[in-house]
Amino acid sequence: DIQMTQSPSSLSASVGDRVTITCRASRSIGTYLNWYQQRPGEAPKLLIYAASSLQSGVPSRFSGSGSGTDFTLTISSLQPEDFATYYCQQSYSALWTFGQGTKVETK
Amino acid sequence: EVQLVQSGAEVKKPGESLKISCKGSGYSFTSYWIDWVRQMPGKGLEWMGSIYPGDSDTKYSPSFQGQVTISADKSITTAYLQWSSLKASDTAMYYCARQGVTGWYDDYWGQGTLVTVSS
Repeated sequence: DIQMTQSPSSLSASVGDRVTITCRASRSIGTYLNWYQQRPGEAPKLLIYAASSLQSGVPSRFSGSGSGTDFTLTISSLQPEDFATYYCQQSYSALWTFGQGTKVETK
Repeated sequence: EVQLVQSGAEVKKPGESLKISCKGSGYSFTSYWIDWVRQMPGKGLEWMGSIYPGDSDTKYSPSFQGQVTISADKSITTAYLQWSSLKASDTAMYYCARQGVTGWYDDYWGQGTLVTVSS
């Protein structure tokens, strides 16, 4: 299995802050890396696919970067609706895996 | 409009069997992989496995191989996740999700089915 490790596990931030979440793969996955947002009580929602492509309808304050083993999700200016848990996911191998999640909480 | 509609919440006893469903609509059901994802209470997402309804090709995470069965009935555009003997540790929310056209990500998700296993 390819292991995905996110950091931090949680962070506290304020509206307007720039937020960065990192995800590291246990081996190279090219750009087969996706990011999802999950609000409490809701199903996950795709934000970024193929490391840096913004899913249709997702605000441009979300961006992704990276390749190989190291990836980043950035929220340029945190909005109230962005307080949620974020997951990375690799789809390089036939058996997909998620990171453990990063919870973005209000400071 | 693409939709995945899952069956309702279930409360079962240990040792019982269960089959939950995920009905796809608004797209060509046989042309896209369907994933199943587990989320235990207060925990993260775990990819369980996938099925391609067109030919029922199936993949399982090693963590779930032999523990669940994934199937699909393309005549009614529905995918299934089933257990033959539930355990208390199967208590979780289960999501189905459609893989996008390239097969690299999950672009549409069901609303989730909560399974509670308790004596």
